Amino acid sequence: DTGVSQDPRHKITKRGQNVTFRCDPISEHNRLYWYRQTLGQGPEFLTYFQNEAQLEKSRLLSDRFSAERPKGSFSTLEIQRTEQGDSAMYLCASSLVLDEAFFGQGTRLTVV
Amino acid sequence: GENVEQHPSTLSVQEGDSAVIKCTYSDSASNYFPWYKQELGKRPQLIIDIRSNVGEKKDQRIAVTLNKTAKHFSLHITETQPEDSAVYFCAATFQGAQKLVFGQGTRLTINP
Repeated sequence: DTGVSQDPRHKITKRGQNVTFRCDPISEHNRLYWYRQTLGQGPEFLTYFQNEAQLEKSRLLSDRFSAERPKGSFSTLEIQRTEQGDSAMYLCASSLVLDEAFFGQGTRLTVV
Repeated sequence: GENVEQHPSTLSVQEGDSAVIKCTYSDSASNYFPWYKQELGKRPQLIIDIRSNVGEKKDQRIAVTLNKTAKHFSLHITETQPEDSAVYFCAATFQGAQKLVFGQGTRLTINP
């Protein structure tokens, strides 16, 4: 395990469908973040975990978004009833507390 | 609120000149300030970071300065090279070092 991995790298889905993304963090990292990035913008905070506990979910995030991190290892991000506005790059990052956050390659979601 | 403002949004400098990017943050309790570089189609990668107990940090051609009183920090790149062309993001921790919030990014172009 040499870095953060995300799966899939690309996802095209029809509006109204559900999608799920997976993130495998660096194994010893106890903190895991999900961000959303659109073209020309900085990563927008979605949610983060410390071990298996979800500590915060962005107020900008609708109830269609949910994330889990069972057993404090990998994490999944699910988007229900996708909308065209959900099209973006979804980035996962992991870190030790108050240390460098390493990013995965991201999952590019396109909602058609 | 939890906010990181970054300026300028775009910056163009001649090769060999210096580039400076500035960020301000809203939470006086923020204590970790990383800078990331993102090349086109790639993940953000850490280039330098600074903690609140230090006023300046340097790594070869890159330096970061922190002014806690004014709540701003800056990235300085000297002797710029074409490979420095990328988008740069600053970030700061909020809620007692719990989460990392990013600025909107600066697109730096180095002209040969």
